[in-house]
Amino acid sequence: EAQVTQNPRYLITVTGKKLTVTCSQNMNHEYMSWYRQDPGLGLRQIYYSMNVEVTDKGDVPEGYKVSRKEKRNFPLILESPSPNQTSLYFCASTPLPGADTQYFGPGTRLTVL
Amino acid sequence: GENVEQHPSTLSVQEGDSAVIKCTYSDSASNYFPWYKQELGKGPQLIIDIRSNVGEKKDQRIAVTLNKTAKHFSLHITETQPEDSAVYFCAASSGGTYKYIFGTGTRLKVLA
Repeated sequence: EAQVTQNPRYLITVTGKKLTVTCSQNMNHEYMSWYRQDPGLGLRQIYYSMNVEVTDKGDVPEGYKVSRKEKRNFPLILESPSPNQTSLYFCASTPLPGADTQYFGPGTRLTVL
Repeated sequence: GENVEQHPSTLSVQEGDSAVIKCTYSDSASNYFPWYKQELGKGPQLIIDIRSNVGEKKDQRIAVTLNKTAKHFSLHITETQPEDSAVYFCAASSGGTYKYIFGTGTRLKVLA
C-alpha cells in the first residue's frame, strides 16, 4: 500500500531534550516536506527536500533541522525543543512538486513541557 | 511574503444544501491549487485540484473554480452529506518555488 508513515504518533517531552520524528514514504517520491498545524494558523511549511541531500527552508524553519540521506526517509530533528514547538506535525511527499498533490502522513502530536 | 486567505473559518449547512469555501492567493506565479479534506485524527487528503490553465473542474458533488485575474478560487460541495463534515484546506503552489502555501482551514459541519 502506497503510504507515508510517521513515528512516533504521540510524544510528550521536556524542554531541551533532543528528539527526532521519523518520516518514510514507499512511493519513490523525490519531494518531501514537513508541516506544523496549529489552531487558526492552518498548515505551515517547516522544511522541504527536492531530492537526496537537497533541502531548503519553508516558512517556519527556526528550531528545526532535517536531513535527507535516503530518498524514502526525511526525519525532523528538534535539537532543543521548546514549549512553542508543541504542535501537530505532518510529513508529506509528492512526485511532482508544485504541480501534483501531496500525500500526507497520519501526523505526530508533540507536546513540549 | 506569499499568503492564502481562506473564508469562512466555520460553516454549518443543512444536509442536502450546498457549501462554498473561498480562498484568495497573493503570489501571481501560483499555478497549482489543491483542496484537502482533513478528518479528525488523520492527515489531509486531496479531494480535488485545479491548474492555472483551467477555470473550472468538477468531480461528482465537488467542484472548484479559479479566477486568475482576481486571484481567487473556490470549493463548491453540492448535496452535502454528514460524512462531508471535516476541516477543508485550500493551498497554492508554484512549481518554480517548490513551496505550498495553505489557507487557515474551514470547519464544515453538515447538520442531519
